[in-house]
Amino acid sequence: EAGVTQSPTHLIKTRGQQATLRCSPISGHTSVYWYQQALGLGLQFLLWYDEGEERNRGNFPPRFSGRQFPNYSSELNVNALELEDSALYLCASSPVDRGAYEQYFGPGTRLTVT
Amino acid sequence: GENVEQHPSTLSVQEGDSAVIKCTYSDSASNYFPWYKQELGKRPQLIIDIRSNVGEKKDQRIAVTLNKTAKHFSLHITETQPEDSAVYFCAASTGTNAGKSTFGDGTTLTVKP
Repeated sequence: EAGVTQSPTHLIKTRGQQATLRCSPISGHTSVYWYQQALGLGLQFLLWYDEGEERNRGNFPPRFSGRQFPNYSSELNVNALELEDSALYLCASSPVDRGAYEQYFGPGTRLTVT
Repeated sequence: GENVEQHPSTLSVQEGDSAVIKCTYSDSASNYFPWYKQELGKRPQLIIDIRSNVGEKKDQRIAVTLNKTAKHFSLHITETQPEDSAVYFCAASTGTNAGKSTFGDGTTLTVKP
């Protein structure tokens, strides 16, 4: 079974630009979660999508947004990039009947803002 | 909201010794407590989890204990090996309806051969 995939692996942007990160969940998983992991720090919850809808949101400004497509893949958009947005962005998925249980992580997208 | 504190931030042990990492949480509604291992440059991997209706769970050399009254849970690794060296994260979640996990800041475990 293929795991969670993310693209791109690395992304370099300049301050003020927009970044788009993509995630494909494990086949059969309908929930997708996004986390930000700044260097040397823990995971901060960003967004949770399930069945195409945003279900929960962490303490991040509105310039962090996303969506989930009918095939359950997801996009994270970060507008008006700031230097402190530089981090590893991790996507995770979980099975439809487990909600927040047993999240499986992707390899992450390393976003660097210069 | 939920707050999860994890201690220690770094832990160094000799190969063969035991390692214990502790986490406390604030939201009494939390009912799912996973532990993740993240090796350098790799994704977090779920290594063990416990639900609030269970006090202890073991899987070979690792075990997790949960004290709901005190709102703390711990990861125990016995007979540590160099390949156990990694960053370990605890998390707390209110499960299906919340769909959100709050993570601790991580513990960097180093096992010296």
